Amino acid sequence: DVQMTQSPSSLSASVGDRVTITCRASQSISSHLNWYQQKPGKAPNLLIYAASSLQSGVPSRFSGSGSGTDFTLTISSLQPEDFETYYCQQGYITPYTFGQGTKLEIK
Amino acid sequence: EVQLVESGGGLVQPGGSLRVSCAASGFTFSNNWMHWVRQVPGKGLVWVSHIYSDGSNTNYADSVKGRFTISRDNAKNTLYLQMNSLRAEDTAVYYCARGGPFSGFVLWGQGTLVTVSS
Repeated sequence: DVQMTQSPSSLSASVGDRVTITCRASQSISSHLNWYQQKPGKAPNLLIYAASSLQSGVPSRFSGSGSGTDFTLTISSLQPEDFETYYCQQGYITPYTFGQGTKLEIK
Repeated sequence: EVQLVESGGGLVQPGGSLRVSCAASGFTFSNNWMHWVRQVPGKGLVWVSHIYSDGSNTNYADSVKGRFTISRDNAKNTLYLQMNSLRAEDTAVYYCARGGPFSGFVLWGQGTLVTVSS
């Protein structure tokens, strides 16, 4: 199975900050990497697919990059509604594994 | 409205069976791959299974292989997950999701809680 390792597991930041979350795959997954945001008690919401494509309706402050094994999710200027949990997921091969999550907290 | 609505969760004893369903509306269900993803409350997301648009292929996580069966009825726009030989570690919220191989999981249901306990 492809192991997905996210870092950091938690991150404290302030409104207006630029933050980056990283995700590393245990083998090359080309660009088959997706990012989700999840609010407590709610289903995840797709932010970025295919490593760098912004899902329709997602604010442009979210961006993704990377290929192969190393990927990043960047939020250019944090807004109050962004302090949630983020997951990466590989869509290259089954099982479609997720990272363990990054909880973004207000400093 | 484009949506997925799960149902069928509940309390079941270890070793028991349960079938959860996912009703799709607002899009062409028969054109889409579908998935089940589960999440223990407070923990991370775990992919469980997926099925091709025409039902011709299925895949499972090792942890459920041989116990769970995914299926779909395209005439009823409904996805199913038959869960047999349930264990305490299967306790989770089960989400259905729509997504192809290159698009990510673009649409999710609200989830249904399955609790395996005596």
